[in-house]
Parts: sequence; C-alpha cells; structure tokens
Amino acid sequence: NAGVTQTPKFQVLKTGQSMTLQCAQDMNHNSMYWYRQDPGMGLRLIYYSASEGTTDKGEVPNGYNVSRLNKREFSLRLESAAPSQTSVYFCASSGEHTTNEKLFFGSGTQLSVL
Amino acid sequence: AQTVTQSQPEMSVQEAETVTLSCTYDTSENNYYLFWYKQPPSRQMILVIRQEAYKQQNATENRFSVNFQKAAKSFSLKISDSQLGDTAMYFCAFMGGTYKYIFGTGTRLKVLA
Repeated sequence: NAGVTQTPKFQVLKTGQSMTLQCAQDMNHNSMYWYRQDPGMGLRLIYYSASEGTTDKGEVPNGYNVSRLNKREFSLRLESAAPSQTSVYFCASSGEHTTNEKLFFGSGTQLSVL
Repeated sequence: AQTVTQSQPEMSVQEAETVTLSCTYDTSENNYYLFWYKQPPSRQMILVIRQEAYKQQNATENRFSVNFQKAAKSFSLKISDSQLGDTAMYFCAFMGGTYKYIFGTGTRLKVLA
C-alpha cells in the first residue's frame, strides 16, 4: 500500500519556468491537499479538493493552479515560477471524516527557484 | 476564517522530563477536529494525537496527552517522560466542516540528554 505518492522529490527551476507537481493516493480518499512549508511559517494550504470534481483556494493560492484529474490524482502547477515559490511542497489526502480522521502525507518536494 | 496559533517557536526539555506545547485556535464552528503532528528531521509528517471537539474527555496516546479547553479554544500537548526521539517540529492543526486542514507555525522541540 503506497499511500500518497508525490513526484518529483527535488526540482530546480529558473525564474519564469513552469512545472507540475504530481500527486496520487491509493486509499480511495475523497479529499486532497497541497501545502507549502517554509521556515517559521509552518504548513500553509495552497489549494484543496474536498471531493472529486471540486477545488478551493487555501491561504496562499496566488501563482498556483491545481487539477483534480480523478479521485486518485491532484496536481499542482506553477505557470511561471518565482524565487518566492522556493519551498518544500507536501501533498496530502484524507478520507475518513470520522473518528479516525487524519491527514496522510506524501514525502514532500524540495523546490528551488533561481 | 479559522486560525491556529503556536506561540512557542522553540522549546527544550531534559530527557525523562515533561514538557507542554501550547496551541490556540479560532473558529465559529462547534464540531471540528484538532491534531498534533510531529515532523522529525526526515521531514515525514506523523500524527501524534487527535481530539474531537464534541468529546469532553482529553485524548491520550501513551506518553502524549492533550489539555483541550473548548471554551478557551486552547489545545496543548503534554509529552511525559521525554525521549531523545521526541526531538522534532510539532504542528497543531484544525479541521472543520469544510474538511480544510489549517496548521500552526510549529514548535521546534529539542530533547536534551
């Protein structure tokens, strides 16, 4: 059982380049999330998808787009990367929404924008 | 909008001692979940403990327990008999009716030998 898989693990971009971070979960979860983690700022929500077919902005959506391709996959796109987007990105999913509620995280993507 | 505040950026504790990490939150919802997650240097995110707002009893998981004060919107984590392996970043998180998880800025805990 792989859980949440995100790719790539590391990426270096030049300012203005575009890229897509991929995320897939195999737990049949309804909800998926993208966070960025910066020192001193914790995990900040970029976008989330409460269920297949829906996406909503989080705290820091500017400069990003997302696609909930199907129930398993939720991608994050940087159309024109900026140095301010240098960060560690985490994908996560949850599906219980019951007493066993919890977030399952991917292993993270270290992104550097030069 | 919901917010989660962790006012202690860094803390340290001697091995075998007890430490309490603080978390406050703001919400107008009545039903929600609160969590503490641990992030060791490996960057992996690990669920430590979960509290459902409708439960008055404080959650416990082995050496970890919470003090949940719903009226005060406070959710502190107590680690008893601290171990070197407890050294990590600890994040407090809130999830309400929209299934949106909001995290605090984290507390870096160092356990000293």
